[in-house]
Amino acid sequence: NAGVTQTPKFRILKIGQSMTLQCAQDMNHNYMYWYRQDPGMGLKLIYYSVGAGITDKGEVPNGYNVSRSTTEDFPLRLELAAPSQTSVYFCASSDFRGYNEQFFGPGTRLTVL
Amino acid sequence: EDQVTQSPEALRLQEGESSSLNCSYTVSGLRGLFWYRQDPGKGPEFLFTLYSAGEEKEKERLKATLTKKESFLHITAPKPEDSATYLCAVLLGGSNYKLTFGKGTLLTVNP
Repeated sequence: NAGVTQTPKFRILKIGQSMTLQCAQDMNHNYMYWYRQDPGMGLKLIYYSVGAGITDKGEVPNGYNVSRSTTEDFPLRLELAAPSQTSVYFCASSDFRGYNEQFFGPGTRLTVL
Repeated sequence: EDQVTQSPEALRLQEGESSSLNCSYTVSGLRGLFWYRQDPGKGPEFLFTLYSAGEEKEKERLKATLTKKESFLHITAPKPEDSATYLCAVLLGGSNYKLTFGKGTLLTVNP
């Protein structure tokens, strides 16, 4: 099993551009999450999904959108990128029990200039 | 107001020098407390889950304990490869899946 995979690993965007961060898991997990991690700060939940077709906002959803059309994939869309979105983004997944451990991907480092 | 506070922010140890990291939380109705390890440039890696006060779990040189207000991650005779950021997260009451993370403790173990 590859676990949780994320693409790209690095990306530089100009202000106002848009992009999609890809996330996939092959563990048949129902729950998937997107976090951002800023230097010296804890992980902040952006969006989460409890299954295909079901998503909800986390702590810091502004400027982001998500969709979940399959169990495996959970892309994060950035519209009109802003410097405040410069961060490292992590995708994670967990099984149907949810409160068990979350498995994290390797992250995407995004810089908005 | 931070619900999860980790201390110290950074800790430097000599190889073999045991110590503890602290994670305190102010939330009520805790359903679980999680410890993760994060190496530079990588995603967090799960270490332990603790569900009730008095519970302890061990893995190699690490032991995690939980009280009603805080958790400790004890590191016994650390090695340089234990150097990493250790993250604590709590699962709040009413949720099965939404974790709230602390800012982490950066541990450096010198040979």
